[in-house]
Amino acid sequence: EAGVAQSPRYKIIEKRQSVAFWCNPISGHATLYWYQQILGQGPKLLIQFQNNGVVDDSQLPKDRFSAERLKGVDSTLKIQPAKLEDSAVYLCASSPYSRGAYEQYFGPGTRLTVT
Amino acid sequence: GQQLNQSPQSMFIQEGEDVSMNCTSSSIFNTWLWYKQDPGEGPVLLIALYKAGELTSNGRLTAQFGITRKDSFLNISASIPSDVGIYFCAGQLWTGANSKLTFGKGITLSVRP
Repeated sequence: EAGVAQSPRYKIIEKRQSVAFWCNPISGHATLYWYQQILGQGPKLLIQFQNNGVVDDSQLPKDRFSAERLKGVDSTLKIQPAKLEDSAVYLCASSPYSRGAYEQYFGPGTRLTVT
Repeated sequence: GQQLNQSPQSMFIQEGEDVSMNCTSSSIFNTWLWYKQDPGEGPVLLIALYKAGELTSNGRLTAQFGITRKDSFLNISASIPSDVGIYFCAGQLWTGANSKLTFGKGITLSVRP
C-alpha cells in the first residue's frame, strides 16, 4: 500500500514570498491533517479535514495560512506571505477513521526554510 | 493548552541495554501513543494504548497507559543501532465529534555500538 505522498520535499523562499505544499493521502482515508513541526518540537496540528470539510482549524494562522482539500482526496497548504518563523517541516497525515485520530499515517514532510 | 512533558531531551545508551522513557501531562487523555521519527521522515506509530492501566508490547517495545490517564512510559529492551531516532509521545482527547493529538517535544535516543 502506498504511503502518504508530499511534495516538494524541500523549499527555500524569501520572507514575504508565497509557497504551497501538496499532499496525497493514502487511498480511501477520510481524514487528512496538516502539522507544523519546528526544529526540536513535536508536530503541532494546523488543520484537520474530514473528506473535503474542515473539522478543526483552530491553530491555523488564518491571516497567512490557507488549506483546501478539493474532492476529498489531495490537499494543498499555502502560506502567503511567509515569515521567518514559518521555517519548519510541514507534515501531512491521513487516517482511515472519521473520528479516531490514533492511527495517523504521516508523510515524509516538506522542509521549508524562509530567509 | 495541553502540554506533554518528555525528559530528558537526549538519552545515550550502549547497544544491548534497556531504556525507559516517560511522558507526563497535566491533563487526562483517552489514548496514548508513541511514535518514532527518523531524520528526514515523518513519525511512525509504534504503540497505541486505549485504556488506563493497559500494558502493550510490540516486539522489543513495551508501553503502559498510566492509571491516572496523565502519563505513559515506553520501554525498549536490548537496544540495537536502528533504535536511534526521536521518540514522541502523543495524547489523544475526544471532544464531542472530534479528537486531537497533542505531541510531546520528543526524546532523541543515541545507541553506542
